[in-house]
Amino acid sequence: AQSVTQLGSHVSVSEGALVLLRCNYSSSVPPYLFWYVQYPNQGLQLLLKYTTGATLVKGINGFEAEFKKSETSFHLTKPSAHMSDAAEYFCAVSDIATGRRALTFGSGTRLQVQP
Amino acid sequence: SAVISQKPSRDICQRGTSLTIQCQVDSQVTMMFWYRQQPGQSLTLIATANQGSEATYESGFVIDKFPISRPNLTFSTLTVSNMSPEDSSIYLCSAADRSSYNEQFFGPGTRLTVL
Repeated sequence: AQSVTQLGSHVSVSEGALVLLRCNYSSSVPPYLFWYVQYPNQGLQLLLKYTTGATLVKGINGFEAEFKKSETSFHLTKPSAHMSDAAEYFCAVSDIATGRRALTFGSGTRLQVQP
Repeated sequence: SAVISQKPSRDICQRGTSLTIQCQVDSQVTMMFWYRQQPGQSLTLIATANQGSEATYESGFVIDKFPISRPNLTFSTLTVSNMSPEDSSIYLCSAADRSSYNEQFFGPGTRLTVL
C-alpha cells in the first residue's frame, strides 16, 4: 500500500528564513503528489501538485516543491517565511498504478513562524 | 476549481444519536470522498461516495456506522450513527474530476463533538 512520510511534526522558522518541509513516499511507480495547507479551523487548500513533466513545480503563496524520483521525495520549500505561513501542511499522494483515486495523506507538519 | 460547502460547520451531539452531514459542490464532479480528521491528526479516508450505487468503504469503516448517499453529481451526505465520544473529529468532504489528475478540492469540514 502507498504510504507518505513527513519528517518533523513541528517545524519552527524565523520570519524571512527558508522554509523546508520534507515528504517521502513509497511507491515503485511515481504517484501524483500534492501539498495541501490547512489554516486553523479551515479545510484544506491545494498549494501545488506534481503529475508529469517538469519536476520543479511552483504553487501559490511563493511555495515550490521538487519531485526527485531517485530519492522518492517531494519536499516543499519557500525562500522567505511570512507570519501568514503558519499552518499545518500535508503531503499527499495518489496511486496511479492501481487507479485508486483517493489520496493518502502524510501525518502533517505544523509550521510555526517566529517574528 | 470546485467550491465545496458543508453543513453543519460544527455540532455538539449526545452519545447514541446520529448526525447527517451534507456536502454540496458547485459543479458536477466525478468523484466525491469523505475523510475523518481526528484531533491533532492527519486525514483518513472513510469512503468514496459513488453516484447511483453504494459507497466504497475503507478498511475499518462500515456502512452501518457511516451510511453515505450520493443522489447526483453535486451532492453527498455522510451520517455518523450511534455516536460515541470517539467519533469526535472533523469530517471533510472532497471532490475530484477524472480529468484533474486526482486533484481534490476540500470543503471546510464539519467539527463534531460527541459528549
